[in-house]
Amino acid sequence: GQQLNQSPQSMFIQEGEDVSMNCTSSSIFNTWLWYKQDPGEGPVLLIALYKAGELTSNGRLTAQFGITRKDSFLNISASIPSDVGIYFCAGQSDSNYQLIWGAGTKLIIKP
Amino acid sequence: KAGVTQTPRYLIKTRGQQVTLSCSPISGHRSVSWYQQTPGQGLQFLFEYFSETQRNKGNFPGRFSGRQFSNSRSEMNVSTLELGDSALYLCASRFESYEQYFGPGTRLTVT
Repeated sequence: GQQLNQSPQSMFIQEGEDVSMNCTSSSIFNTWLWYKQDPGEGPVLLIALYKAGELTSNGRLTAQFGITRKDSFLNISASIPSDVGIYFCAGQSDSNYQLIWGAGTKLIIKP
Repeated sequence: KAGVTQTPRYLIKTRGQQVTLSCSPISGHRSVSWYQQTPGQGLQFLFEYFSETQRNKGNFPGRFSGRQFSNSRSEMNVSTLELGDSALYLCASRFESYEQYFGPGTRLTVT
């Protein structure tokens, strides 16, 4: 079946650093979504990508839909404490409308 | 527009009991998906309903079932609860096949 590999699994960052995470798929997707989840809450949609090569920003966040349609990355610039949380990617092909989810990247601020 | 709402927010049940969780989607959204999330784990897809029909299903035992009503509200039922069913249960809605929006979740504890 379809699989999504999300890396890294976790990241220790210092405030002010730039962060990068990515997802790769064994299948082609037509949609890539990026979410952030705070502890005990539901994930919140950050960025949606619908076209290969598309680069979209949301404040300090930038995400890109890979040209091969099998990968996507998310960058966070100048990280701040509230960026801490778990980031999930999700991809969808049009064949059955099911979203396939990455395992998440946990962002932790170094003390 | 009001977001996705889930009731109850917290629930404590005993092994062997059954439980029903409720989800009200964003107005106009016809798709409702359910996910299970255990501590430190990603999002495990349970099922998706679209216009009262199950559109996709994850790999969960038959003890997990769901339904969707004509007003798009959805319920999820777990029968014969096991300790391992303790988790955050998330509901997400979307308009047809586009990006999903999550509710705050129901925290189920099985003792």
